[in-house]
Amino acid sequence: KAGVTQTPRYLIKTRGQQVTLSCSPISGHRSVSWYQQTPGQGLQFLFEYFSETQRNKGNFPGRFSGRQFSNSRSEMNVSTLELGDSALYLCASSSALSSGRDTQYFGPGTRLTVL
Amino acid sequence: DQQVKQNSPSLSVQEGRISILNCDYTNSMFDYFLWYKKYPAEGPTFLISISSIKDKNEDGRFTVFLNKSAKHLSLHIVPSQPGDSAVYFCAARGLGSSNTGKLIFGQGTTLQVKP
Repeated sequence: KAGVTQTPRYLIKTRGQQVTLSCSPISGHRSVSWYQQTPGQGLQFLFEYFSETQRNKGNFPGRFSGRQFSNSRSEMNVSTLELGDSALYLCASSSALSSGRDTQYFGPGTRLTVL
Repeated sequence: DQQVKQNSPSLSVQEGRISILNCDYTNSMFDYFLWYKKYPAEGPTFLISISSIKDKNEDGRFTVFLNKSAKHLSLHIVPSQPGDSAVYFCAARGLGSSNTGKLIFGQGTTLQVKP
């Protein structure tokens, strides 16, 4: 099976712009989660989508949003970019077992730099 | 409030010896725990997991131990190899399918295995 793919891999934007990142999960996986990794804050959960619905949300401002399509692909959007949004954005997918005891598999990430 | 803590930022061991990475958590509702390995500018790679109903899980050179009463888990790598050098993250998740997509990560431990 192909792994989780993310596009683009690298992105440079300026403050005030908006950006959209894309994630394709492993085939058959219905849950897609997004994380932000920064040197100061580590890996932080942004939100999770399951069956096209946001199921969980982390403590990020409303400028961060996402959506999931019927084929489970997901996009994440950040509006009005700030310098502090520079980070590695990671997408992860899982099969979302009813037990909750399954594994999240991560993509390679999108490195966003805000100038 | 950091719910998952990896108190050792770094660890250095000799090739062939045992590496022990530690992780503590504060939330008694955590039900499933995972270890990931990460290289810079890449996504985390899943290593091994354990559910709260077990106290040990093995996979090849990797063994995870869970002590629920102490809210502590550890990852043992035996024997350690230079290719194991990376940042290791401990992650935890709450009970049930609704928490599947939300992992809480520790700050990571950088492991260096010297030849």
